[in-house]
Amino acid sequence: GENVEQHPSTLSVQEGDSAVIKCTYSDSASNYFPWYKQELGKRPQLIIDIRSNVGEKKDQRIAVTLNKTAKHFSLHITETQPEDSAVYFCAALTSGNTPLVFGKGTRLSVIA
Amino acid sequence: DAGITQSPRHKVTETGTPVTLRCHQTENHRYMYWYRQDPGHGLRLIHYSYGVKDTDKGEVSDGYSVSRSKTEDFLLTLESATSSQTSVYFCAISEVRGDTEAFFGQGTRLTVV
Repeated sequence: GENVEQHPSTLSVQEGDSAVIKCTYSDSASNYFPWYKQELGKRPQLIIDIRSNVGEKKDQRIAVTLNKTAKHFSLHITETQPEDSAVYFCAALTSGNTPLVFGKGTRLSVIA
Repeated sequence: DAGITQSPRHKVTETGTPVTLRCHQTENHRYMYWYRQDPGHGLRLIHYSYGVKDTDKGEVSDGYSVSRSKTEDFLLTLESATSSQTSVYFCAISEVRGDTEAFFGQGTRLTVV
């Protein structure tokens, strides 16, 4: 089945700097790649997603890129703010009836 | 927020006792999922459902069973709770299989002593 690796597990950046989180997946048939943000004590919530027919997608300060050949995708956050501090999860959806497979998460800390 | 409610929100139980967690949705979504979240392991799928009475196992299904007798309710049962099942449990729903937004419940913190 699908396997999703996420790096780094923790990331600290200065406010205003950029943050990048990377994920790799194993199943070349995977075609949907969402990113979830989980604030402390809260539920995970979708922040951005990308489908396999698109190479990049942006939404204000966040962007996701997908490299199907290398089977990896990345989350980019620019001009980071303290409220960006959270755990971020990537996920991948493969074919068949299986649901999303999540990475193990990245704890992002934005230092003011 | 999507209409998804988990109960209870917190529970402490003793080893060997049965425990049932409930997930209730008002969105009429077809797919429902149970995940557990543990430090260093992210979100791991326990069981999921793709319709009433249609369920399947996830990667960490041992020791858990589920039932879905109505579209709106998805129950997770720990037949005989063990300390390794101490975790935060999240229910999630989605309208179609995976490739639309999955909405998560608030989570249930279960402690097995």
